[in-house]
Amino acid sequence: GDSVTQMEGPVTLSEEAFLTINCTYTATGYPSLFWYVQYPGEGLQLLLKATKADDKGSNKGFEATYRKETTSFHLEKGSVQVSDSAVYFCALRRNTGFQKLVFGTGTRLLVSP
Amino acid sequence: GAGVSQSPSNKVTEKGKDVELRCDPISGHTALYWYRQRLGQGLEFLIYFQGNSAPDKSGLPSDRFSAERTGESVSTLTIQRTQQEDSAVYLCASSLAGDGSDTQYFGPGTRLTVL
Repeated sequence: GDSVTQMEGPVTLSEEAFLTINCTYTATGYPSLFWYVQYPGEGLQLLLKATKADDKGSNKGFEATYRKETTSFHLEKGSVQVSDSAVYFCALRRNTGFQKLVFGTGTRLLVSP
Repeated sequence: GAGVSQSPSNKVTEKGKDVELRCDPISGHTALYWYRQRLGQGLEFLIYFQGNSAPDKSGLPSDRFSAERTGESVSTLTIQRTQQEDSAVYLCASSLAGDGSDTQYFGPGTRLTVL
């Protein structure tokens, strides 16, 4: 079945450091790929998405590129802030009809001043 | 505008009791989803509603779990005879139409603790 694997956390960085959170997937066909973020005490929010190969999703300085050849969708940010501290979830969804979101286990990011 | 809301935010119950969790989706969203997040695990899909019908219940873990939706709005997830392994955060999401291009908007979740 479909699955998403993302790196174990927590990821601990200093402010202004470069961030990469790895995400790889297994799916039939070509799913849409998502990054969701959960800030402390808040619900999951969509951060960015990509619906086809080579698409780049971007939002709030975060980027992720849909790589079909490596079945990956790694999340990157050039300079993290303390306010980026949150749990980040990679997810996929097939594109035909209704399909549930399939999530990774989440990666906690802690950014210190 | 208002987002997805869920109640209660926290629920502590004793093993064997029944619980009801409520979800109010974004107004006008026809699709509604329930997910569960157990400690240290990713989100697991439970059930999907399109309008008031549930075309996909494949994620419900046992017959102790049921859900309904009325008026194409509020949904209730019921867990009967709760067990300790039911302890989790239960998340509800809604989307405009439920097709592959939709964005799902999540509520803050209900944290269920079964003692």
